[in-house]
This record gives sequence, C-alpha cells and structure tokens, in this order.
Amino acid sequence: GENVEQHPSTLSVQEGDSAVIKCTYSDSASNYFPWYKQELGKGPQLIIDIRSNVGEKKDQRIAVTLNKTAKHFSLHITETQPEDSAVYFCAASIGGSTLGRLYFGRGTQLTVWP
Amino acid sequence: DTGVSQDPRHKITKRGQNVTFRCDPISEHNRLYWYRQTLGQGPEFLTYFQNEAQLEKSRLLSDRFSAERPKGSFSTLEIQRTEQGDSAMYLCASSLDTSGEQFFGPGTRLTVL
Repeated sequence: GENVEQHPSTLSVQEGDSAVIKCTYSDSASNYFPWYKQELGKGPQLIIDIRSNVGEKKDQRIAVTLNKTAKHFSLHITETQPEDSAVYFCAASIGGSTLGRLYFGRGTQLTVWP
Repeated sequence: DTGVSQDPRHKITKRGQNVTFRCDPISEHNRLYWYRQTLGQGPEFLTYFQNEAQLEKSRLLSDRFSAERPKGSFSTLEIQRTEQGDSAMYLCASSLDTSGEQFFGPGTRLTVL
C-alpha cells in the first residue's frame, strides 16, 4: 500500500513568518493530495488539496506544490498568525477518477508565536 | 449545521463490553468512511461505503469490528469485546464519489478501562 512520510514533526515560527511542511509518498499511482488542519479535540478540517494534473495551487495565504517525478508535495503558509497553530496532516489517495481511502502522514505540530 | 456529525462524542467503557458509534454524513454524500486515530498519529483507514455497499475494509478491522450503512445514509460502527488497545478517536468522513474531497466529523473518543 501507499506510505506517506511527513516532516518536520514540530515547527515553531514567529507570527508573520512563513511555514513549510513537506511530504513524500511511495506509490506513483497516487493522484490526489489533500491537506488537513486539526485543532485539539476536533476532527481534521480540509484546507487545500491538489490533483496530479496540477503543479501548484494557492488559496489566499496557503499554497500547495506537487512534484510527481520526485513524489513529494509541500504545504506553504505565508504571513502566519497565532490561529494557524494546529496539527497539519498531509494525505494521499490512489484511485483515478474514483478516489477511495486516504493515507495520512504522521502530522506536523505548528506553533505560531505572537 | 450541515456537516458530518458523530454520536457520542465521548465513550468510556470497561474491557469486554460492546460499544456502538453513529455517523451522519453530509446529506448528499454517497460515500462514507471510518478512520481511527491514536495520539500523535494520523488517521488510519478502517472501511468505507458507497451508498449501502461496504466496498473496502482495512486489515485493521478485526472480526470484533463491524460497520453498517443500511439505507445509504447514516452508518454505525460496532466494536465487540473491547480491548484497551481499542482506545482511540474514531473519525467518520463523507464525500461525493465525483469529487473525492473527504469532510470529517468531530470524532468519537473511546476510552477502554
């Protein structure tokens, strides 16, 4: 099955700085890569996703890049704010047009200091 | 609220007891997923349904676990003869099969004493 590795496991930044989280995947058949934000005691919240026919996608302060050749994808958060503090998970899915299970990384605890 | 809902939010039980959790997906979503999450880990896939059909089960889903989605709407996850190792957050997600974006509920936290 698919194996998703995520780094770093913890990340501390000053408010206003950028944060980057990186993930690698093992199965070249993976074609959908979502990112989730999870706050304490809550379920994961989808914040952005990218499909394998796209190299980069942006949504306000958040961007995701995908390198299919190297099998890695990254989350970039600019102008970080204290409310960005949470655990972030990357995931990958195999399935072409019928996406199924998600394979998650182990998460990155992001702390943004005011 | 039109998001995914789960009930109960917390469950404490003694080892050997049976527990059942419920998930109500977003109303138009035909796919429903169950995941398990332990502390410091990402969610791990357990099983998923398309309408009422259970299409895939993980090897994590031992024979003590059973899931149903009888009318293609809500789903239940039952754990029989609970063990301490079953303590985890049980997450439900739903999606449309045409888009694949999975939206998660708040989870049910199970503690087995």
